[in-house]
This record gives sequence, C-alpha cells and structure tokens, in this order.
Amino acid sequence: GQQLNQSPQSMFIQEGEDVSMNCTSSSIFNTWLWYKQDPGEGPVLLIALYKAGELTSNGRLTAQFGITRKDSFLNISASIPSDVGIYFCAGQGRGSQGNLIFGKGTKLSVKP
Amino acid sequence: DTEVTQTPKHLVMGMTNKKSLKCEQHMGHRAMYWYKQKAKKPPELMFVYSYEKLSINESVPSRFSPECPNSSLLNLHLHALQPEDSALYLCASSQYSGANVLTFGAGSRLTVL
Repeated sequence: GQQLNQSPQSMFIQEGEDVSMNCTSSSIFNTWLWYKQDPGEGPVLLIALYKAGELTSNGRLTAQFGITRKDSFLNISASIPSDVGIYFCAGQGRGSQGNLIFGKGTKLSVKP
Repeated sequence: DTEVTQTPKHLVMGMTNKKSLKCEQHMGHRAMYWYKQKAKKPPELMFVYSYEKLSINESVPSRFSPECPNSSLLNLHLHALQPEDSALYLCASSQYSGANVLTFGAGSRLTVL
C-alpha cells in the first residue's frame, strides 16, 4: 500500500531557529496536508496543498507540494515555545479509497 | 460551529465493561471517521461513515461497534476490550467521504484495565 516517509523523527532546537521537515512517498499524491498535534489533543490542520508546485504560507509556516507530487515539506520560521508538538504530514492519493495516509510524525522540542 | 466534540475526554474501563464514546459535529459534514492513536504513532483509520452508512471498516475487531444515529452524531460502542486497546480515540469529519480535509476532535483517552 501507499506509505509516507516523514523526517526527521524528532528535532530539538533553540527558540528563534528555523525548522524544516519533509515527507516523501513512493507513489503520487493529489493532496498534501500538514497537521500539528499537541499532547492530549487531536490533530489540527495547519496547511493544505492541492497542486504540484504549490507554495502556501500560514503565518510563520510555509509548505510546498513537490513538483513530482511525491513529496512535501514544511518550514517553520523563528520558532517559539508554543511550536512544540508533533507534526504529521498526510497525503491523499487515488488509492486508499481516497482516505488520508499519515506520516509517522516529527516531534518538535523548542528550548527557550 | 467548526468543531468536532468528543465525550468523554477520559475513560477507564475493565475488560468486562460496556461503554461508549460519543462524537458530534454541526458543520453539515456528511462523512465521519473513527481513528485509533497509540502513543508516538500516527492516527490509524478504523471506520468511515458516509451519509450515515458504514462505508469502510478497516478490519476492526467486533468488540468495537460503531453507530451513526444521524448525520451529526457518531458513537463507538466498546465491549470486552483488551488492555492493548488502550489508546487515544479520535473522531473526525469531512464534507464528504474521500474529501481531503479532516477536522478532528480532541479525542477520548481510553484506558482498559
């Protein structure tokens, strides 16, 4: 079946640093989504990408839908303590009955 | 209203108990989902309801029984669970089945003793 490889698995950074994480797939996706999950809460949608090459920003967050449609990245600029959490990429392809495939997550820790 | 509300937030049950998790959305979404999430893992799809009919069951054991009484409500009935079923259970909804943007609830943390 379709699988997503998300990296890095975890990151420890200093407040103010920029962060980059990415997801790759062996198959093509039509949509890429990035979610953030705080401890004890459900995932919250950060950015949705619908077109190859699309670059979308949401405040300090920027995400891109790769040209090959097999990858996506998320950048966070000037990190702050509340950026702490687990970030999941999710893709929707033609298979999987249109349901989302999730990456394994990137755990972000920010030192003040 | 752009929320998915789940109750209870925490549930502790014995292996012989019968309990239910509840989920409600008032966004007019016609697809609703149950996901199971273990610690440090991504959500795993369990069930999908589309227009109040069960459309996907990801080979979930029968001790989990979903129910969709109407387009706004989704229940998950639990009976004879095992300790390994302890997890965060997430409800989500989307405009329609196969729609890419899911709105998740905060989850119900289940502990099976």
